[in-house]
This record gives sequence, C-alpha cells and structure tokens, in this order.
Amino acid sequence: QQPVQSPQAVILREGEDAVINCSSSKALYSVHWYRQKHGEAPVFLMILLKGGEQKGHEKISASFNEKKQQSSLYLTASQLSYSGTYFCGTDSGSARQLTFGSGTQLTVLP
Amino acid sequence: DGGITQSPKYLFRKEGQNVTLSCEQNLNHDAMYWYRQDPGQGLRLIYYSQIVNDFQKGDIAEGYSVSREKKESFPLTVTSAQKNPTAFYLCASSVAAGDIQYFGAGTRLSVL
Repeated sequence: QQPVQSPQAVILREGEDAVINCSSSKALYSVHWYRQKHGEAPVFLMILLKGGEQKGHEKISASFNEKKQQSSLYLTASQLSYSGTYFCGTDSGSARQLTFGSGTQLTVLP
Repeated sequence: DGGITQSPKYLFRKEGQNVTLSCEQNLNHDAMYWYRQDPGQGLRLIYYSQIVNDFQKGDIAEGYSVSREKKESFPLTVTSAQKNPTAFYLCASSVAAGDIQYFGAGTRLSVL
C-alpha cells in the first residue's frame, strides 16, 4: 500500500523552513527520500534504516519513527534550488522494493 | 562517467505496436528497476530484477515485459496489451535490492 505524504504542496520564502511527512500502514525496514525537478529524474537525498542508520546529504536531515511507521524530512533555511517534488519511498523489508508516495510539491520563492 | 542511460528520450507508439525502451548502466549494480510516472503522480513499479536472468513483477506489470540477459542492461517492452501507455518511464539501479536507487533521465512515451 502506498505511503501517505503530507502536505501535498507547500510554498516558502527563501530562508524559511519546511517539514515533509511520510506515513505508512506497514512495518518498515527503511525509508528513502528523493527530489525530482520538473521533467527530470529523481535524485537521492536520504535513506533511513531500521535501527537508526542514516545515509544522505549533509544539508538534509530526516527522522524515522519505526514504531509509528513515519518519517519526516526537514528542510532548513530553504534555497531556491530546493524547489521540486519530494517523494518518500518505503521498503517493508520483504521484497526489498520501494513503494513511493504521491509526492509533496515544494516551491521556494525569492 | 558512471551512470544510467535511457533511450530514446521521446518515443511514439502506434496502435497495436510493441515498443522497447532501453536502459543501460555501467555502475556494476546488481539490481535494476522500471517505474511508470503519470502527470502529478508518484512512481509505480513495473518490474524489477535483483540479479541477471531473474526478474519479478511489480505493482503494474500487465501489458509490459522485460529481460535481464546482461548485468548492465534491462530493456522494457511496452506491448499492445497496454492500453494506456502514455507516461514518463524511469529506469533505476542499485548496488543491491533495497539500497539507494539511481535513476536515468527517463523516456517519455506517447501514443499516436
């Protein structure tokens, strides 16, 4: 079942912060975060694994609550380049494949 | 440079025609994936392969077929049985199943 992302869209001014949430009805092994700009390929941002391990970009932070099957992506001091659609992909650990949410469209204005 | 190459960038299909989308990677990754993306939607998994000569159906495999005869190649055929093929198709690969996925630039398929 597809994870639920919220909000669906958010508009920020440069320098403001944003939080994007991803919630699953299944127990999760890992959560992946990607950003996609219009017409381009998704780009990896962060992977959060059960047990607390994280891998990703220095300027991106995220959390993973295993008990609640939820993850949040924190974008601080946003820049114009942060604009795009953010997707979470969840891995329940059985088939080791990702199920993606429908995305959160982030727009950063000058 | 290592990466994933998808071709063509744009493709048009006629009624009743099968078309094949190419995906090649030189990252030495074992796992490869095909996703379909419709406007304003997320990515839906069509097929995936964890190792050469093996592949599994994803959530929307009907009307599609794949092969994995070589580690670096994972072509996707959109058959005439796929009645609504217009979409953006993305290929991805990862070192192993469940690891970080790296995406190609995509193929945009339209129906004439």
